[in-house]
Amino acid sequence: QVQLKESGPGLVQPSETLSLTCTVSGFSLTSNSVHWVRQPPGKGLEWMGIIRSGGSTDYNSALKSRLSISRDTSKSQVFLKMNSLQTEDTAIYYCTDWEGWGQGVMVTVSS
Amino acid sequence: DIVMTQGALPNPVPSGESVSITCRSSKSLLYSDGKTYLNWYLQRPGQSPQLLIYWMSTRASGVSDRFSGSGSGTDFTLKISGVEAEDVGVYYCQQGLEFPLTFGSGTKLEIK
Repeated sequence: QVQLKESGPGLVQPSETLSLTCTVSGFSLTSNSVHWVRQPPGKGLEWMGIIRSGGSTDYNSALKSRLSISRDTSKSQVFLKMNSLQTEDTAIYYCTDWEGWGQGVMVTVSS
Repeated sequence: DIVMTQGALPNPVPSGESVSITCRSSKSLLYSDGKTYLNWYLQRPGQSPQLLIYWMSTRASGVSDRFSGSGSGTDFTLKISGVEAEDVGVYYCQQGLEFPLTFGSGTKLEIK
């Protein structure tokens, strides 16, 4: 059974760096791609980026300068790092392989 | 970027009625492999999105056959045959053809 679970801080200061972890089970990161998607409160879904089964990445050009996705296949974990956070980055952050989604982690950017 | 535009529903919809949700893409999602890279998701209130349909018309595992997808290269429809209470939520279409992957703004379904 495919499962994904996000973890990370719920509150981040403006201008600081967000670090999130997605821990997966039921599949191998060397077989499936994992995406990050975010959703501001009350709004729609925004694709952030992908790390493919081979380890290559692609990012939403709107976030590319601030975003990095990496992984540790031995731990079945995918990492998201995004710097220079602003209030508009307040959102629920999901990891997904499209068929399976994590429960999401709410991140609030505020001082 | 490919823009995805979704239509609205005349909410609330009576239980048991059939509804169609529309989605239009600014570029054809038909790829040279013959597949059309259009997905549909349902996000129930307070929950994560759930994949319903991929490749425009293929139901995801465990999805009720009340849900069906159809369309052309740029115009798509998700049909729900006989809406039920559990169908309440926001439906999103998404293109998987090229990066950045993009979603429609969502179509809300309420049931009477």
